[in-house]
Amino acid sequence: NAGVMQNPRHLVRRRGQEARLRCSPMKGHSHVYWYRQLPEEGLKFMVYLQKENIIDESGMPKERFSAEFPKEGPSILRIQQVVRGDSAAYFCASTGGKTGNTIYFGEGSWLTVV
Amino acid sequence: EDKVVQSPLSLVVHEGDTVTLNCSYEVTNFRSLLWYKQEKKAPTFLFMLTSSGIEKKSGRLSSILDKKELSSILNITATQTGDSAIYLCADGTQGGSEKLVFGKGTKLTVNP
Repeated sequence: NAGVMQNPRHLVRRRGQEARLRCSPMKGHSHVYWYRQLPEEGLKFMVYLQKENIIDESGMPKERFSAEFPKEGPSILRIQQVVRGDSAAYFCASTGGKTGNTIYFGEGSWLTVV
Repeated sequence: EDKVVQSPLSLVVHEGDTVTLNCSYEVTNFRSLLWYKQEKKAPTFLFMLTSSGIEKKSGRLSSILDKKELSSILNITATQTGDSAIYLCADGTQGGSEKLVFGKGTKLTVNP
């Protein structure tokens, strides 16, 4: 799972600013997931993407959050006009290729909104 | 909506003890149940269980699924301080999207 790369690892934003979190999936993987983990909570699914397509965004808040996985480059989770409640760890995961359906996680991006 | 419940929520043991962590699920069209270990960062994959009654083993860790009881257990024998972590159980059944529904986790602390 060390192959899923996320950056930044830590991000501090003031209320109202934008946060952009990036994820490069494991080599050979074409499916990317974003999960959010609030303090003392389990991981909650947000969105599932394949290259250039959003497959399932049922876990995404209706406003301010968006995700993309372009043909070239990493997947990006974008949070506009951040609020304190957005403070959480955001984990990216990937699957596909030779690892089959096993989902591997990156080390997370820890967003703090002040 | 699918639901995954883990127990206990936290557990403190001494090195050398054996622990059993529980996971129960309420899902439609079950396909798989997964266990992850989470220390301070990325959840690390441990096991994927799809068939009832077949134990999966990796070193001192083992896990088994009981489809009749809609549950799974994760056993850790001869615990070490390095086993201290949050152990997450997840249902991997959600339609074709492969998304995981996680329980809240069991926080295991192994004291020397």
